[in-house]
Amino acid sequence: NAGVTQTPKFQVLKTGQSMTLQCAQDMNHEYMSWYRQDPGMGLRLIHYSVGAGITDQGEVPNGYNVSRSTTEDFPLRLLSAAPSQTSVYFCASSPRYTGTAELFFGEGSRLTVL
Amino acid sequence: RKEVEQDPGPFNVPEGATVAFNCTYSNSASQSFFWYRQDCRKEPKLLMSVYSSGNEDGRFTAQLNRASQYISLLIRDSKLSDSATYLCVVTLTGNQFYFGTGTSLTVIP
Repeated sequence: NAGVTQTPKFQVLKTGQSMTLQCAQDMNHEYMSWYRQDPGMGLRLIHYSVGAGITDQGEVPNGYNVSRSTTEDFPLRLLSAAPSQTSVYFCASSPRYTGTAELFFGEGSRLTVL
Repeated sequence: RKEVEQDPGPFNVPEGATVAFNCTYSNSASQSFFWYRQDCRKEPKLLMSVYSSGNEDGRFTAQLNRASQYISLLIRDSKLSDSATYLCVVTLTGNQFYFGTGTSLTVIP
């Protein structure tokens, strides 16, 4: 009954460090996406993918990279962490990319950049 | 300009009360509409989709007004377990979901 699994749940980084947030889903969903949630800002889309080998930018892509080599996995890479990237990150998947299907979220990853 | 605007609240209502949330969206080409619920420090979960004709799920009723570009959620007979943040969500193209900042609800015994 895994659904969408994110790791790690908590991470503290120093400015300039790099890291990867992992996201895996076992529902064979075509669509996967990454959001960040900040107080007063709501969830904002960082990157999304409509299938293996296909990725695209969302509202706030700067400072983040993604790849989708398999249907199941959609890692988010922070190349050089900045304090402005302190946030809660959510990975979400959906069975279709038509915008009519439910988004299933992981439990979130809380990142602090010092 | 934000794609989706919500009153952040907080709304504090007694058990059994009826409460309504509104949400406006800026792009008339928006395609699909949803309400999600997010408990404190948890992930969002779908509460209900919103259809043009309006739809009901138990104590929850959602309405869409395309002419005025707003979406509403009505909760009747509020329960303590309804305490959460309610997120309004719209899609513009099929690939991008836009979330409102959420409306906080606390149901008081």
